[in-house]
Amino acid sequence: NAGVTQTPKFQVLKTGQSMTLQCAQDMNHNSMYWYRQDPGMGLRLIYYSASEGTTDKGEVPNGYNVSRLNKREFSLRLESAAPSQTSVYFCASSKPTGEVGQPQHFGDGTRLSIL
Amino acid sequence: QQPVQSPQAVILREGEDAVINCSSSKALYSVHWYRQKHGEAPVFLMILLKGGEQKGHEKISASFNEKKQQSSLYLTASQLSYSGTYFCGTENTGGFKTIFGAGTRLFVKA
Repeated sequence: NAGVTQTPKFQVLKTGQSMTLQCAQDMNHNSMYWYRQDPGMGLRLIYYSASEGTTDKGEVPNGYNVSRLNKREFSLRLESAAPSQTSVYFCASSKPTGEVGQPQHFGDGTRLSIL
Repeated sequence: QQPVQSPQAVILREGEDAVINCSSSKALYSVHWYRQKHGEAPVFLMILLKGGEQKGHEKISASFNEKKQQSSLYLTASQLSYSGTYFCGTENTGGFKTIFGAGTRLFVKA
């Protein structure tokens, strides 16, 4: 059982390039999330999708777009990468919407460097 | 708003106890606790729902004081494997997204 799978694991971009980070889960979870993690800042929510067909902004959405392609997949796109977006990106998923207090299951992360 | 965790870092010897605190300025519905080892993904430890319940997970337990909007994570008789960064995540009443604190770095030495 793979859980939450993120691709790629590492990526280096030049400023201004675009990139899509992929995330897929096989746990039949409805809710999915994208976080970025910077040293000393913890996990900051970028966007989330409470259920298939819906997406909402989190704490730091500027510079990002998301697509909930289907129940399994939730992608994060950087249209014009900036050095400030250098970070580790985590995707997570949790059980059906409406059940507050559900644990999140995290992928292994994507380490993204923008030069 | 991001919950506030304290302390920011703690160093323990094996067998010692530690307490990590998490507080929020907003009313809370639930508090999550996760542990992350260096270079790895965060791993779920436990969730506490409003009602002041206390939960346990091996030698790690937690409490949730709804009135004070605070939660504490208790690590007793610490082991080397407890080293890592501990995050609390809070869900506010009426919302379904979790906001994480900045983390508490715990180092257990032999």
